[in-house]
Amino acid sequence: EDQVTQSPEALRLQEGESSSLNCSYTVSGLRGLFWYRQDPGKGPEFLFTLYSAGEEKEKERLKATLTKKESFLHITAPKPEDSATYLCAVQAREGGGGSRLTFGEGTQLTVNP
Amino acid sequence: GAVVSQHPSRVICKSGTSVKIECRSLDFQATTMFWYRQFPKQSLMLMATSNEGSKATYEQGVEKDKFLINHASLTLSTLTVTSAHPEDSSFYICSGTPGLDPVLGETQYFGPGTRLLVL
Repeated sequence: EDQVTQSPEALRLQEGESSSLNCSYTVSGLRGLFWYRQDPGKGPEFLFTLYSAGEEKEKERLKATLTKKESFLHITAPKPEDSATYLCAVQAREGGGGSRLTFGEGTQLTVNP
Repeated sequence: GAVVSQHPSRVICKSGTSVKIECRSLDFQATTMFWYRQFPKQSLMLMATSNEGSKATYEQGVEKDKFLINHASLTLSTLTVTSAHPEDSSFYICSGTPGLDPVLGETQYFGPGTRLLVL
């Protein structure tokens, strides 16, 4: 069974204080690992897809990295508008099921001004 | 690109009535659509997967006769909650994946969600 564990559950940062969110996973053959951002009362917003160990992707203050067991979402000099819940999900190489995702519980990030 | 809409954004209904939620992919063809529900402070729980023109595949524990899914076209899927009860109150979110699109690939793009409250 595919599993995704995110840590910490909640993180409070001061504006400008860089940090990282962790996503550990077990999957029977990784097809892709996805990061999403979810604001309260809204649907998840796509951030990144990572496909193989060693891959990195960046978008503004966010950088996602991938190893064979985990992914990190690095936030550099965060701003209050980066406050949200960040969700990690994996997609397995399975015969059926198409693009099914298994989600972690998320990390709730709060950035204080 | 890759925008998904949902309608309505919020609905309040009486116990025993049925509610239909629409999910549309606005700028891509969604070969597969997914329906999730999310309770407060929890992550997304997959309810069902549907491919255009095929019957939906429901997750274990999800009643297919209660949550009717129709994926009539490559841009529209509907979820009907039949005979809704207060315990069905939740945040329902759909997503679509372009599938074979060489750029968008199999990434799931989510709608804004529908808040259902059953009184």
